[in-house]
Order: sequence, then C-alpha cells, then structure tokens
Amino acid sequence: AQKVTQAQTEISVVEKEDVTLDCVYETRDTTYYLFWYKQPPSGELVFLIRRNSFDEQNEISGRYSWNFQKSTSSFNFTITASQVVDSAVYFCALSEVYSGGGADGLTFGKGTHLIIQP
Amino acid sequence: KAGVTQTPRYLIKTRGQQVTLSCSPISGHRSVSWYQQTPGQGLQFLFEYFSETQRNKGNFPGRFSGRQFSNSRSEMNVSTLELGDSALYLCASSLSGQGAGTEAFFGQGTRLTVV
Repeated sequence: AQKVTQAQTEISVVEKEDVTLDCVYETRDTTYYLFWYKQPPSGELVFLIRRNSFDEQNEISGRYSWNFQKSTSSFNFTITASQVVDSAVYFCALSEVYSGGGADGLTFGKGTHLIIQP
Repeated sequence: KAGVTQTPRYLIKTRGQQVTLSCSPISGHRSVSWYQQTPGQGLQFLFEYFSETQRNKGNFPGRFSGRQFSNSRSEMNVSTLELGDSALYLCASSLSGQGAGTEAFFGQGTRLTVV
C-alpha cells in the first residue's frame, strides 16, 4: 500500500529564512508520480510540481526547489528567502500507476503548516 | 480560463439526511476526482470519474456515491449523513486523470457540516 509521511506538522520561521519541508513516501510500484500542493486559507489546493519516478533531476522554480531521491524515498521541498505570502499548508502526494495505465487517486501526506512571521 | 467550480460552498445538514454536491471541471477536462478533507484523517480519495464512468474508488462506504454527466460536470451524493461526514469536500479536475499523472486543478471545496 502506498503511504506519504510528512513528519513536520508545523514549521514557523522568520521571513527571509530558508525552510525545507520533508516528504517520505512508500510504494511498491516502480512507476509513480509525486506532487506538491499548497493550500492557502481559501481552501483550494494549488499545484506546485509533479515528478515521475524515472526523473530524479532536481528542479528549481524561482524561490522554490525540490530534491527527489529514490534511494531514500524522499521528495523534499525548499523555499529560499521565505515570504509571508508563503504561509500555507503544504501537501506532498503520491499517485501510483497501474500497468494498464490507470491509477489510484492521490495519496496525500498529513500536510505541513508553514508559518512565515514578518 | 475558468477554474474548477464547486457548489455550494457551505452546507449544513442534519444527521440522517442526504446531500448532493456539484463540481464543474475546467473546460476540456474529462477527469473529475473527489476528496474528503478532515482534521483527523487528512485528505482522502473518494472516487474518480472519467468520461462518465467511475474509474477508481477509495475506501469509503456505499453511502458515498457519485456520477458524471456528458459535459463532464460531476455530482457527489452522501446518503444517511453521519456526524463524521462533516468535512471539506474537494473536487479535482484534470485532462487525462490520475493514471497519466497529469496536473490536477482543485476547486475551493464545499464545507459540509452535519449536526
């Protein structure tokens, strides 16, 4: 069975600090997708990034970067020079892909509540 | 481009009643998935519809059902409501569905309170 663990329930940092959100996953499949979503107080989940299991390249998008390591089953997310607007709940998610091409829905971690203080 | 629209945004129902929630996906998207979010269980997958067919189902009782129409709009129904059904129900729309690993766009959700 698939599982996503976000051990950090809440992180509080001062603006401009760098912060890393951890995500560890479990899956028996060799083909899967990993995602990060942001949930602001408005409630909707905002897509941040998708990675497939065959692509271990790290990615940087502005102040955001992601470190995918299959050897440790981790997909960590770093925000550089954090800003107050980054305050939200962040979710890591996993989707396994069947051999026939279908997939279960997203399995989410419990989320990390990130608080950026001014 | 209009986003995912969920109606209503808030709902209060009495235990034992039934409720129907609606989701209009992004134009052109054929896959609609539903998720339940509670403080205790977090985000849990309910089911996915693709081209009017239920493609996948999560581990929820039969009281939770859904359907998708030819225009890809989807409804979710919960019968015989229980207090534990109080949650934020999120709908996600995507082009090809979860199997293709495509990006899912979420609506703002329907906050259901069962009293």
